[in-house]
Amino acid sequence: EIVMTQSPATLSVSPGERATLSCRASQSVSSNLAWYQQKPGQAPRLLIYGVSTRATGFPARFSGSGSGTDFTLTISSLQSEDFAVYYCQHYNNWPRTFGQGTRVEIK
Amino acid sequence: EVQLLESGGGLVQPGGSLRLSCAASGFSFSSFALTWVRQAPGKGLEWVSSISGSGGSTYYADSVKGRFVISRDSSKNMLYLQMNGLRAEDTAAYTCARGFAFFEYWGQGTLVTVSS
Repeated sequence: EIVMTQSPATLSVSPGERATLSCRASQSVSSNLAWYQQKPGQAPRLLIYGVSTRATGFPARFSGSGSGTDFTLTISSLQSEDFAVYYCQHYNNWPRTFGQGTRVEIK
Repeated sequence: EVQLLESGGGLVQPGGSLRLSCAASGFSFSSFALTWVRQAPGKGLEWVSSISGSGGSTYYADSVKGRFVISRDSSKNMLYLQMNGLRAEDTAAYTCARGFAFFEYWGQGTLVTVSS
């Protein structure tokens, strides 16, 4: 099983600042990586797939990068609606696994 | 509009069984794989099981293998998760999602509580 490790667990950021979230896989997942955004009381929303392709409805301030084992989600200028928990997930093989999440909170 | 609506959750005793359902609409049901993901209270996401569009391929997390069975009924546009031998650690909100690789659409979830 591929273990996905996200860091930091919590990121405190002021609105308008840049946020950088990391996700590391215990072995290569190639480019088979997705990111999700989850707000309290809501279902997760697909944010990015294939490392860097934004899902419908998400603006260009969200970007993904990386390959192999190290991946990054960057939010270039945080807006109030971006404060949420973000999960990475690989789909390189079975079982699919998620990272434990990074909470982005208002500083 | 793609919609996924789960039902069937509730309180069950350890060792008991429960069948979850997910009603799908707004897309060609047989063309898409479906997945169950769970989230324990205050915890992260855990992939549980996936089934191909035809139903011919199924996959399970080790934590549920041998206890849970995923199935689908194309005539009713329904996804199911039969859960047997439930344990306290199965307590979670169970959500169905569309997809095999990544999960583009999600339901709102149904809560399963395993407790005596």
